[in-house]
Amino acid sequence: AQRVTQPEKLLSVFKGAPVELKCNYSYSGSPELFWYVQYSRQRLQLLLRHISRESIKGFTADLNKGETSFHLKKPFAQEEDSAMYYCALSGRASGTYKYIFGTGTRLKVLA
Amino acid sequence: GAGVSQSPSNKVTEKGKDVELRCDPISGHTALYWYRQSLGQGLEFLIYFQGNSAPDKSGLPSDRFSAERTGGSVSTLTIQRTQQEDSAVYLCASRRNEGANYEQYFGPGTRLTVT
Repeated sequence: AQRVTQPEKLLSVFKGAPVELKCNYSYSGSPELFWYVQYSRQRLQLLLRHISRESIKGFTADLNKGETSFHLKKPFAQEEDSAMYYCALSGRASGTYKYIFGTGTRLKVLA
Repeated sequence: GAGVSQSPSNKVTEKGKDVELRCDPISGHTALYWYRQSLGQGLEFLIYFQGNSAPDKSGLPSDRFSAERTGGSVSTLTIQRTQQEDSAVYLCASRRNEGANYEQYFGPGTRLTVT
């Protein structure tokens, strides 16, 4: 079955500490992976996608096909990073296109 | 350009009444998605459209929920005989098309409260 797993519902770190938001996926094909972010009182928006190999707001994510993971990392957390983060995958399975979100991880960066 | 818009932004209704929620996608986007976000919870997929067809409606929680899309543009989500457990934020998103590489663009959501 296609699935995206974010094992942590809540992650609290201190400002300046490294942060890693975990994402594991289960998919039969070769999906595209994304991270979305929802800041307080703002709409959900794309943070970064695997295919772009980009770093946004200091965040990076590496696709590990062996471990089927796409963890989101930042070396030094900032208070403004506090938000809800969703991992998502997109691909085609059984003739149908799928876009699957994980359950989300709330990141709190403490002063 | 204009992003995804949703109306109304807030809706309070009495239990048992029907409600209609509207989504206006980004012009030219052929794929459209509906999600539900309950307080403190993640995203719950409801249905998606490619054009006016709904290839995947597996997330609709009951037959009280239905959705349609006309002209490959505006979509409405209808909830009949609303129940208190239907209270949530309903999000709409659109994509250029259903191909794997495209991101979703989300609307601001409609907050539904069933009293």
